[in-house]
Amino acid sequence: NAGVTQTPKFQVLKTGQSMTLQCAQDMNHEYMSWYRQDPGMGLRLIHYSVGAGITDQGEVPNGYNVSRSTTEDFPLRLLSAAPSQTSVYFCASSFWTSSYTGELFFGEGSRLTVL
Amino acid sequence: AQKITQTQPGMFVQEKEAVTLDCTYDTSDQSYGLFWYKQPSSGEMIFLIYQGSYDEQNATEGRYSLNFQKARKSANLVISASQLGDSAMYFCAKGGGADGLTFGKGTHLIIQP
Repeated sequence: NAGVTQTPKFQVLKTGQSMTLQCAQDMNHEYMSWYRQDPGMGLRLIHYSVGAGITDQGEVPNGYNVSRSTTEDFPLRLLSAAPSQTSVYFCASSFWTSSYTGELFFGEGSRLTVL
Repeated sequence: AQKITQTQPGMFVQEKEAVTLDCTYDTSDQSYGLFWYKQPSSGEMIFLIYQGSYDEQNATEGRYSLNFQKARKSANLVISASQLGDSAMYFCAKGGGADGLTFGKGTHLIIQP
């Protein structure tokens, strides 16, 4: 079972470059999200989606863009990378209703370094 | 914004001892869920245990149990008979509604032989 698949696992960018982190899930989950993990900060929510065509901002959305054209895919775009975006990024999905978010299934993480 | 507090940045515990990892949360929600995740040094996030706010009994999963005290807004993770493989970061998280899970900053647990 694939679960949640993130690519790439590692990426080095120069300041100002753009890139897309890909995320796909095969569990037919409505809810998908992107978190970033920094030392001592836990996981912070960047953007999330509760279905195709629906996205919303989390705690730290600045500098990131998302779209959700299908149930399966939820890419995260960095339009102009900055050193402050150096982090480990996790995509996660779950079963969801308007009053309940289930257990999050995580991808393996993507380590991004911006020079 | 909802706040999840884990007051123990790091803990050292002797192998085979029980360990309690603290978690408190701030919420005005009536319906919510509480989750614990483990992150070993390899980096993956592993789901451990879930407690619903309306569950009357504390959740248990093998050696993991959740000490849920709703009035105190506390959801401590208890690991019985700790093992060397329990050494990892542990994250408490709260979920409810449309905005997914909010995580605490984590506790780094080290099990000593």
